[in-house]
Amino acid sequence: GAVVSQHPSWVICKSGTSVKIECRSLDFQATTMFWYRQFPKQSLMLMATSNEGSKATYEQGVEKDKFLINHASLTLSTLTVTSAHPEDSSFYICSAGTGGTEAFFGQGTRLTVV
Amino acid sequence: ILNVEQSPQSLHVQEGDSTNFTCSFPSSNFYALHWYRWETAKSPEALFVMTLNGDEKKKGRISATLNTKEGYSYLYIKGSQPEDSATYLCAFGGAGNMLTFGGGTRLMVKP
Repeated sequence: GAVVSQHPSWVICKSGTSVKIECRSLDFQATTMFWYRQFPKQSLMLMATSNEGSKATYEQGVEKDKFLINHASLTLSTLTVTSAHPEDSSFYICSAGTGGTEAFFGQGTRLTVV
Repeated sequence: ILNVEQSPQSLHVQEGDSTNFTCSFPSSNFYALHWYRWETAKSPEALFVMTLNGDEKKKGRISATLNTKEGYSYLYIKGSQPEDSATYLCAFGGAGNMLTFGGGTRLMVKP
């Protein structure tokens, strides 16, 4: 099956710094990538949808200036958490699609802001 | 906001037991229902994508059924093994691969 690689898998950062998470589709071109967040004991929640070469579409309640998404190519999307705070500590995971019904996931990134 | 619910939240079974869990989802504007198996520190692994009412799919000891009219899907595991221990996620699929997830069912199989 299609492989999506997400890095880093785990990151600890100081409050006020920015963290960049990468999501790459290794063996296919992803027309659309999705970013999800999961707080403890909760569902995976969609944060934003990004299409290559255009601005991301953010879900209600997700600050676009705080969670910067760049989808510069068909194989790479990045999520940057800017000026991170402890409440941004969460599990972030990306998925990539080719336009069909299946979505392929990265391994996820656990972010801890101290 | 789409409401996708899974039950139970967690389940402990003995090796060899058969088990099943439920995913409920909106019955209107149905597109697809996805089941994923998610082990810690790994990517969610796609088990099934189901699109038609009455669909039944099988992969080894795992099978799933779909009822789009009443908005539920069941996942069955026959003869559970310790390696089946994982979180099983269902997701309501919208157009363009966008997914709305349930909270997952965490399965633990004791040897």
